[in-house]
Amino acid sequence: SQQGEEDPQALSIQEGENATMNCSYKTSINNLQWYRQNSGRGLVHLILIRSNEREKHSGRLRVTLDTSKKSSSLLITASRAADTASYFCATPGAGSYQLTFGKGTKLSVIP
Amino acid sequence: NAGVTQTPKFQVLKTGQSMTLQCAQDMNHEYMSWYRQDPGMGLRLIHYSVGAGITDQGEVPNGYNVSRSTTEDFPLRLLSAAPSQTSVYFCASSYGTGHPLNTEAFFGQGTRLTVV
Repeated sequence: SQQGEEDPQALSIQEGENATMNCSYKTSINNLQWYRQNSGRGLVHLILIRSNEREKHSGRLRVTLDTSKKSSSLLITASRAADTASYFCATPGAGSYQLTFGKGTKLSVIP
Repeated sequence: NAGVTQTPKFQVLKTGQSMTLQCAQDMNHEYMSWYRQDPGMGLRLIHYSVGAGITDQGEVPNGYNVSRSTTEDFPLRLLSAAPSQTSVYFCASSYGTGHPLNTEAFFGQGTRLTVV
């Protein structure tokens, strides 16, 4: 069963704009991870936020985590055409060895 | 700096045929896993392994077998291919202090399998 669910399913923005995508999950977690997948390629890890962290930055990426609402958001600032990809959140359940993924948000950045 | 290597990249099978998808990693990761990715379904876990000699089922294990005789290799076997197994398959590995999922997972480039 899906643990995380991303929202929106698809997002189209102009280059230079910010992109925000959200992830909701169902059970308690140790951490939440975001991945990017370019068309026809494997997934690439972007950022991991632990359950005791509220916000984390990496370059143009900002991730927040609200464990009380069981939700996370990924913000990409000053988007570029190269950011066009699908973005997935992934969560290992507490005590679980299974990393489960949402269905992803497909981001299109128009030059 | 190979990371996770999957072979083949593309494969067409006839219904009922068997085959093995290969996955190898050179990072000495204990944890390895197989996912399938279907349109609109995201990634679903097939099988995983926490170390050599130890495997377990994920969300969608039926029709697939795995074994882990070495740390480096984690092959996925399709016993009798069915059209429903048409998908893109990804292998991943990770190593985390205390728990293998406390750090990032590294993915291979995928195997696109078509069963006709």
